Amino acid sequence: NAGVTQTPKFQVLKTGQSMTLQCAQDMNHEYMSWYRQDPGMGLRLIHYSVGAGITDQGEVPNGYNVSRSTTEDFPLRLLSAAPSQTSVYFCASTLARNTEAFFGQGTRLTVV
Amino acid sequence: GNSVTQMEGPVTLSEEAFLTINCTYTATGYPSLFWYVQYPGEGLQLLLKATKADDKGSNKGFEATYRKETTSFHLEKGSVQVSDSAVYFCALSDRNTGNQFYFGTGTSLTVIP
Repeated sequence: NAGVTQTPKFQVLKTGQSMTLQCAQDMNHEYMSWYRQDPGMGLRLIHYSVGAGITDQGEVPNGYNVSRSTTEDFPLRLLSAAPSQTSVYFCASTLARNTEAFFGQGTRLTVV
Repeated sequence: GNSVTQMEGPVTLSEEAFLTINCTYTATGYPSLFWYVQYPGEGLQLLLKATKADDKGSNKGFEATYRKETTSFHLEKGSVQVSDSAVYFCALSDRNTGNQFYFGTGTSLTVIP
């Protein structure tokens, strides 16, 4: 029973590099989201998707792209990494509106 | 708009002490309210939830009651254990804004023997 799987768990990037954080869920959830967690700021929504082919911006979308080609996968792309993107990133999925969100284990990203 | 305010930490308690972590919210619609717990190095796990006013969520000895009149969802536990040491997040999900969750800043709890 995998739930929400994120890869990698840790990553170090140089400023200007690009990379993709992977997120997959096996619960057939329609809703998926990406959050970043920074000290003293809780979790902030980056992008979300309400179904395959549909994505929208959250509170802090700049510097990130997403796509949702399948129900299972929701990758987050950093186009040109900046030190301000050093954070812990969490992917979450939700079955329906107002139900609980299931979180992945997180990706700790450091941009130097 | 939607927002969640929770009590700042860190909180340090002795084992078997009473715990309260305050949480208040603002919402434009009819939110569901949640408490999530994050153990070191892990993702967030749902601790409890309440979907309408006066509902009480409970799990593992933790409780929280959805109070619409005071827009609050305070987390309580009568007797904490060392294993309860973690970061606790209050959150809301508003059906008017789809599945977006709004989180508080988190409260770190350390329980000492």
